[in-house]
Amino acid sequence: EIVMTQSPATLSVSPGERATLSCRASQSVSSNLAWYQQKPGQAPRLLIYGASTRATGIPARFSGSGSGTEFTLTISSLQSEDFAVYYCQQYNNWRRTFGQGTKVEIK
Amino acid sequence: EVQLVESGGGLVQPGGSLRLSCAASGFTFSSYWMSWVRQAPGKGLEWVANIKQDGSEKYYVDSVKGRFTISRDNAKNSLYLQMNSLRAEDTAVYYCARDYIAAAGTGWFDPWGQGTLVTVSS
Repeated sequence: EIVMTQSPATLSVSPGERATLSCRASQSVSSNLAWYQQKPGQAPRLLIYGASTRATGIPARFSGSGSGTEFTLTISSLQSEDFAVYYCQQYNNWRRTFGQGTKVEIK
Repeated sequence: EVQLVESGGGLVQPGGSLRLSCAASGFTFSSYWMSWVRQAPGKGLEWVANIKQDGSEKYYVDSVKGRFTISRDNAKNSLYLQMNSLRAEDTAVYYCARDYIAAAGTGWFDPWGQGTLVTVSS
């Protein structure tokens, strides 16, 4: 099983500031990585796939980068609706696994 | 609009059974792999099982093998999860999700249903 580790667990950011979230894989997953956003009481929403491709309808302030074992999700200027929990997910093999999540909260 | 609506969750005793359903609309259901993903209360996400378009291939996380069965009815645009021998650790919100298969042979999940809560407790 590929273990995904996200950091930090909680990120406190002021609206308008930049947020940088990290995700590390226990072995290389190439670019087979997705990011999701989940708000309280809601289902996850796909943000990024292929490590850096934004899903349909996702604002340009969300960007993904990385390959191999190190990945980053950047939110360039946080809006009020962006405060949520973010998960990374690898799909390098059939046993897909998620990180434990990073909560982005208002500073 | 693509929509997935789960149903069938509830309270069940340990060792009991439950069948979840997911009604799909807004896309050609028979053209996609489908998955179940769960989330224990206050915890992260765990992929549970997926099924190929024609039902000929099915995969499960180790913790549910032999207890859970995924199935589909393309004529009814529906996905199912039969859960037997339920344990306390199966308590979670269960999400139905459309499965995008990339070149790696597996992929990401988009979209997700709203989820249905399964509580296993005496």
